[in-house]
Amino acid sequence: EIVMTQSPATLSVSPGERATLSCRASQSVTSKIAWYQQKPGQAPRLLIYGASTRATGIPARFSGSGAGTEFTLTISGLQSEDFAVYYCQQYKNWPPVTFGQGTKLEIE
Amino acid sequence: QITLKESGPTLVKPTQTLTLTCTFSGFSLDTSGAGVVWIRQPPGKALEWLALIYWDDDKRYSPSLKSRLTITKDTSKNRVVLTMTNMDPEDTATYFCAHFISGYFDHWGQGTLVTVSS
Repeated sequence: EIVMTQSPATLSVSPGERATLSCRASQSVTSKIAWYQQKPGQAPRLLIYGASTRATGIPARFSGSGAGTEFTLTISGLQSEDFAVYYCQQYKNWPPVTFGQGTKLEIE
Repeated sequence: QITLKESGPTLVKPTQTLTLTCTFSGFSLDTSGAGVVWIRQPPGKALEWLALIYWDDDKRYSPSLKSRLTITKDTSKNRVVLTMTNMDPEDTATYFCAHFISGYFDHWGQGTLVTVSS
């Protein structure tokens, strides 16, 4: 099973600033990683797939990068609606599909 | 427009079997490549993938829960059913179904909270 490790657990950033979230895989997943945003009481929303392709309707301030075992989700010009929990997910080797433990992005 | 909705009991007793239904629209599960998954999330915790069913009835399960899970589909009714046997309080979670595409999940249901308690 591939273990996905996200860091930091909590990230405090001011509105308008840039947030950088990290995800590390225990072995190479090539570019088969997705990122999701989850707000309290809601289902996750797909942001990024294939490590860097934005899903339909996702604003350009969200960008993904990386390959192999190290991945980054960057959110530029943070807006109030961006404060949420973010999960990475690998789909290179499954079952099982595995998720990271999440990064909570909070307002500084 | 793809939509999914979960339904089932909100409370089950320990040792009972849980049956959840995912009713979807906007796609067909007899279309090549289509799939539906179940994912759960204990309160305050991370997401955990449970099971997947493909358009061709191929099924995949979480290795850690495989012995307790069964996933089936009714293509004519646009439904996918998940059963989980021998429920335990640790199975208390919000259960989501989602549309599967090439390894990731692009549309999700709202989720249904299932509490396991006597």
